[in-house]
Amino acid sequence: AQSVTQLDSHVSVSEGTPVLLRCNYSSSYSPSLFWYVQHPNKGLQLLLKYTSAATLVKGINGFEAEFKKSETSFHLTKPSAHMSDAAEYFCVVSEGGSQGNLIFGKGTKLSVKP
Amino acid sequence: KAGVTQTPRYLIKTRGQQVTLSCSPISGHRSVSWYQQTPGQGLQFLFEYFSETQRNKGNFPGRFSGRQFSNSRSEMNVSTLELGDSALYLCASSLTVFSGNTIYFGEGSWLTVV
Repeated sequence: AQSVTQLDSHVSVSEGTPVLLRCNYSSSYSPSLFWYVQHPNKGLQLLLKYTSAATLVKGINGFEAEFKKSETSFHLTKPSAHMSDAAEYFCVVSEGGSQGNLIFGKGTKLSVKP
Repeated sequence: KAGVTQTPRYLIKTRGQQVTLSCSPISGHRSVSWYQQTPGQGLQFLFEYFSETQRNKGNFPGRFSGRQFSNSRSEMNVSTLELGDSALYLCASSLTVFSGNTIYFGEGSWLTVV
């Protein structure tokens, strides 16, 4: 059975410092992995996705994530945080041929201090 | 290209009433799914439709139902509303149902049951 664990419910960084949001997954097969961001009162926006191509995936707004099969991790990083990055981030895993097989993490709320 | 459009954005209903939410997917997308988001339970899958057929259903009572029309637009209905149904209901669309397809979310319908 697949599962997703976001290791931090809340991360706080200062503007201009690096961001690290951690995600571990459990999957029996080769999964597809996604990171979505949700700003207050908004829907989910896709940041990036991994589908068994390059293990280092670059997304929008300077975010990237690295798929590490040996560690079953898919951590999200950004070199320099911006105030507009403050939002909730969801790690998502999919291994089946159906959206019903999407498993969402509980989310990590990112705060950015000036 | 227009994104996923959900209507209404906000609504307040009374316990025992029913509600219908509407979703227009991105043009050309044939797969539509629905999710419920609450602070306590996070994001939970409701159901998925492809070519007017329900492909998958989450663990929700029969009061929750949906359908998809020939133009891929979808509606979900909740009958006999309970206070616990208060949530953000998100619709998502993708081209097909295959794993790895990018899934795009609407901004959601905020339902408050009083």
